[in-house]
Amino acid sequence: AQSVTQLDSQVPVFEEAPVELRCNYSSSVSVYLFWYVQYPNQGLQLLLKYLSGSTLVKGINGFEAEFNKSQTSFHLRKPSVHISDTAEYFCAVSEGNAGNNRKLIWGLGTSLGVNP
Amino acid sequence: NAGVTQTPKFRVLKTGQSMTLLCAQDMNHEYMYWYRQDPGMGLRLIHYSVGEGTTAKGEVPDGYNVSRLKKQNFLLGLESAAPSQTSVYFCASSPRGVYGYTFGSGTRLTVV
Repeated sequence: AQSVTQLDSQVPVFEEAPVELRCNYSSSVSVYLFWYVQYPNQGLQLLLKYLSGSTLVKGINGFEAEFNKSQTSFHLRKPSVHISDTAEYFCAVSEGNAGNNRKLIWGLGTSLGVNP
Repeated sequence: NAGVTQTPKFRVLKTGQSMTLLCAQDMNHEYMYWYRQDPGMGLRLIHYSVGEGTTAKGEVPDGYNVSRLKKQNFLLGLESAAPSQTSVYFCASSPRGVYGYTFGSGTRLTVV
């Protein structure tokens, strides 16, 4: 069965520092991968997605992620964070041959706290 | 475009009461989903729908019912609310194909 593991539940960083939020998945088939962000008291917003092609994916707000098939990872990175990046970040995966079953499997989230 | 709209945004229920949460999307999406979000447990899928008139159970369906009589609306019902159903509920929709979900802003439900 598919599963998603976000390796850090909380990541504290200082403003303008780089950050990496780690995500590993388990699947025996091809996958589609997603990162979502949830700001306090809001719904989730799509940051970026990997469907196929280049393994380096760029998203909104300066975030990027790299798909590593051999390590089954999809880590999220930003070279310089801002206070406004403080939020909960969720990694999700969907099987590539899911047909009509478009359910996403979610990680438990990583809370990014950016301090001045 | 409004995207995905959830009503109400907040609600307090007494144990045993019933209520319906409404999700409406104006993007002509085929798929719709109801999730609950609880601290430390991430997002858990309650029910979902792959088209008008069809629904299916997710991982935590007990105590909830859903209906999708119109393509743009997905209703979540609680027949007899329990304190364990205190949560934040999110609706999401997606088009056919792999494009990611669009989420509503959530409904915060407290059952006392």
